[in-house]
Amino acid sequence: EIVLTQSPGTLSLSPGERATLSCRASQSVTSSYLAWYQQKPGQAPRLLIYGASSRATGIPDRFSGSGSGTDFTLTISRLEPEDFAVYYCQQYGNSPGTFGQGTKLEIK
Amino acid sequence: EVQLVQSGAEVKKPGESLKISCKGSGYSFTTYWIGWVRQMPGKGLDWMGIIYSGDSDTRYSPSFQGQVTISADKSISTAYLQWSSLKASDTAMYYCARLVSSCCHPFDFWGQGTLVTVSS
Repeated sequence: EIVLTQSPGTLSLSPGERATLSCRASQSVTSSYLAWYQQKPGQAPRLLIYGASSRATGIPDRFSGSGSGTDFTLTISRLEPEDFAVYYCQQYGNSPGTFGQGTKLEIK
Repeated sequence: EVQLVQSGAEVKKPGESLKISCKGSGYSFTTYWIGWVRQMPGKGLDWMGIIYSGDSDTRYSPSFQGQVTISADKSISTAYLQWSSLKASDTAMYYCARLVSSCCHPFDFWGQGTLVTVSS
């Protein structure tokens, strides 16, 4: 099973700043089958990015994903108040489709 | 509009059985897979398993194999997650989510979650 490690555990930033979240895999992720999800308190996760860099339907272009192999990044170019949440990466090229432990993005 | 509507919160005692549900609408239920994801209190997401209601093909994470049973009734567009003997450690929020195939697609739509509390 592929283990995903996200860093940092918590990221404290202010609205308008740029956020960079990292996801590292214990082995190469098949064909960049890597997704990012956003979860707000009391809500289900929401798909943001799939295929490492493709935005899901309705996701603002301030969200972008990059990377390949074992290292992936989610970037939020200019933080809006509604972006403060927990973010999870997931690889879905190998079964089981494992998740990272999450990065909490909090308001500084 | 794609919707996955899950059954309501449950409070059970250790040793009891439980079956929770996830009803899909707004899309062709039998041409997509449904997965189940656990979130223990204050923790991250755990991939439990997936099912294709078209033929009931089911895949489990090794961590959950033998601990739960995933099933589906395509005639009513509903997937299920069940336990035969609950433990306190099964206390968690459980989400169902849709995916296009067993491999190589993310969870694109999620249910609202079912909170399961197991306590004596």
